[in-house]
Amino acid sequence: SAVISQKPSRDICQRGTSLTIQCQVDSQVTMMFWYRQQPGQSLTLIATANQGSEATYESGFVIDKFPISRPNLTFSTLTVSNMSPEDSSIYLCSVGRDSQEQYFGPGTRLTVT
Amino acid sequence: QKEVEQNSGPLSVPEGAIASLNCTYSDRGSQSFFWYRQYSGKSPELIMSIYSNGDKEDGRFTAQLNKASQYVSLLIRDSQPSDSATYLCAVSLRSGNQFYFGTGTSLTVIP
Repeated sequence: SAVISQKPSRDICQRGTSLTIQCQVDSQVTMMFWYRQQPGQSLTLIATANQGSEATYESGFVIDKFPISRPNLTFSTLTVSNMSPEDSSIYLCSVGRDSQEQYFGPGTRLTVT
Repeated sequence: QKEVEQNSGPLSVPEGAIASLNCTYSDRGSQSFFWYRQYSGKSPELIMSIYSNGDKEDGRFTAQLNKASQYVSLLIRDSQPSDSATYLCAVSLRSGNQFYFGTGTSLTVIP
């Protein structure tokens, strides 16, 4: 497995603002992913963060709303832009290696007022 | 559409009993299967992975995979109150490592 940290752990933001969430891993990993988990729901993949190239977004998620950076093999950021109350959710990063298993960070709980 | 379905529960079992959690998936190209446990307010924790047909045992946990029936299950023997959590089934294709999650089954183990 890997030790994964996320910052911030939680935040309360105003409508129309943006929040950048950081994900740091203690070792180099091939794959990094960003998920959203809305209250009482399962996990929905937002995008795959690719090192050295643009992220690959899932249907329903766009780069203008969720820009992602992956400057190296241990770090990624997800920005939630122009937030609305519907963006209130838990945002999770996960990492994967060649074994295909994925391990999740502790999550960022976002509330938009 | 890569659908993964689970009974949402809640599933309640008495302490010491066997809890059986089920998952079906729609994409026959799926190659890898995972069970995650998620306690309330926490992130998912990987507890089992299985890649080939048959059973895989790890302590009190047994994962069962039947690719012909597109079915994967998790058995928890000697259930403990600490097993009370939501269990998420995840499926991936070999390429891309994208996971598709089921909606989860809530398990309560009654002391």
